[in-house]
Amino acid sequence: DAMVIQNPRYQVTQFGKPVTLSCSQTLNHNVMYWYQQKSSQAPKLLFHYYDKDFNNEADTPDNFQSRRPNTSFCFLDIRSPGLGDAAMYLCATQGAYNEQFFGPGTRLTVL
Amino acid sequence: KNQVEQSPQSLIILEGKNCTLQCNYTVSPFSNLRWYKQDTGRGPVSLTIMTFSENTKSNGRYTATLDADTKQSSLHITASQLSDSASYICVVSPWGDYKLSFGAGTTVTVRA
Repeated sequence: DAMVIQNPRYQVTQFGKPVTLSCSQTLNHNVMYWYQQKSSQAPKLLFHYYDKDFNNEADTPDNFQSRRPNTSFCFLDIRSPGLGDAAMYLCATQGAYNEQFFGPGTRLTVL
Repeated sequence: KNQVEQSPQSLIILEGKNCTLQCNYTVSPFSNLRWYKQDTGRGPVSLTIMTFSENTKSNGRYTATLDADTKQSSLHITASQLSDSASYICVVSPWGDYKLSFGAGTTVTVRA
């Protein structure tokens, strides 16, 4: 059974057109992460939440925003996507005993 | 600065052969180390997790080792299969921090 679900799996948007990626989890984990992964590179942390406490990485562009309305859901908003934002976006969770799970990712294409 | 370095960057092996991937880290204080398998276009899937007191952990044909003194880990793949073709990522968790440190991954290609 899927435990970290990301929708959509593939997203195509136009340059400058806002887009929202979603992540949900059935694990009741406190910590949720959003990562950006470009081809053949390690995932790069954008944000993470401990419950509703939001932690933004210093080098995450202002163009990227996030919301976590409840434990189960987390959203990544890209306000004005540029060509350089085309990437795989990974959502992950971590539980109280350090168990970690990644979602299948959303592949974003910017035209 | 917490760093994780993996080697080799990529390797090609014949089906049925064994291979070993390396991971060196400087993350401190150390909590745990995981090996993930990431198929192209998919999210990473956990293979093993080890804390500082564990030296070895197996998951089927995958065996991970950890030397917390030298801050080195390895992942050994036995009797490789075509489905083992993927990127293998070493991820280290620091104690008391939720930020994970990722290696760049080793791309394994298994050929028939």
